[in-house]
Amino acid sequence: DTEVTQTPKHLVMGMTNKKSLKCEQHMGHRAMYWYKQKAKKPPELMFVYSYEKLSINESVPSRFSPECPNSSLLNLHLHALQPEDSALYLCASSPRTGDGANVLTFGAGSRLTVL
Amino acid sequence: GEDVEQSLFLSVREGDSSVINCTYTDSSSTYLYWYKQEPGAGLQLLTYIFSNMDMKQDQRLTVLLNKKDKHLSLRIADTQTGDSAIYFCAESMNSGYSTLTFGKGTMLLVSP
Repeated sequence: DTEVTQTPKHLVMGMTNKKSLKCEQHMGHRAMYWYKQKAKKPPELMFVYSYEKLSINESVPSRFSPECPNSSLLNLHLHALQPEDSALYLCASSPRTGDGANVLTFGAGSRLTVL
Repeated sequence: GEDVEQSLFLSVREGDSSVINCTYTDSSSTYLYWYKQEPGAGLQLLTYIFSNMDMKQDQRLTVLLNKKDKHLSLRIADTQTGDSAIYFCAESMNSGYSTLTFGKGTMLLVSP
């Protein structure tokens, strides 16, 4: 299995809702990432989990709450979002070895619309 | 610090070669990547190269690296309409723990 699977593919939520985005990989990768991507822009790093521990938080507002229940799963909990949070949310994973390239495998993304 | 720059748009005819360019600023040993993103999809890794190499070829794709000018290019031979996408250049340090710095992306449009 060489895929990163993200659900749901599309999500529409109001500003008072609580929802979650889910990501799963079975490649044995020990690093998992959340990126946010606005239209016609590059992905922006939000969070990195390394060996199930949060290692990077790029000053993301607390209305986004990541969770890594085990080495295969990554969640992004959403609460009290703003319309400007509407974007494509990409999950990625990588092997997390020492020297060498850091080859990320991306999921297809979850398209979030906040009304 | 790392900074990656790309031209924003390229239009070619089907069957022609496409050349997408990228410049980077980090002078340390580094890896350079090319990712492809089709509309509404995630990023797909095409290829990557270490900064001590000059060239890498993989089927229709050729990556050239000019270390002196810190210039990276991706050449796609016999470009097809299915190659229409956004192409991102990215850079990371020589470590599996390094995060990627992405360029702004080049939109390639292939017309029949």
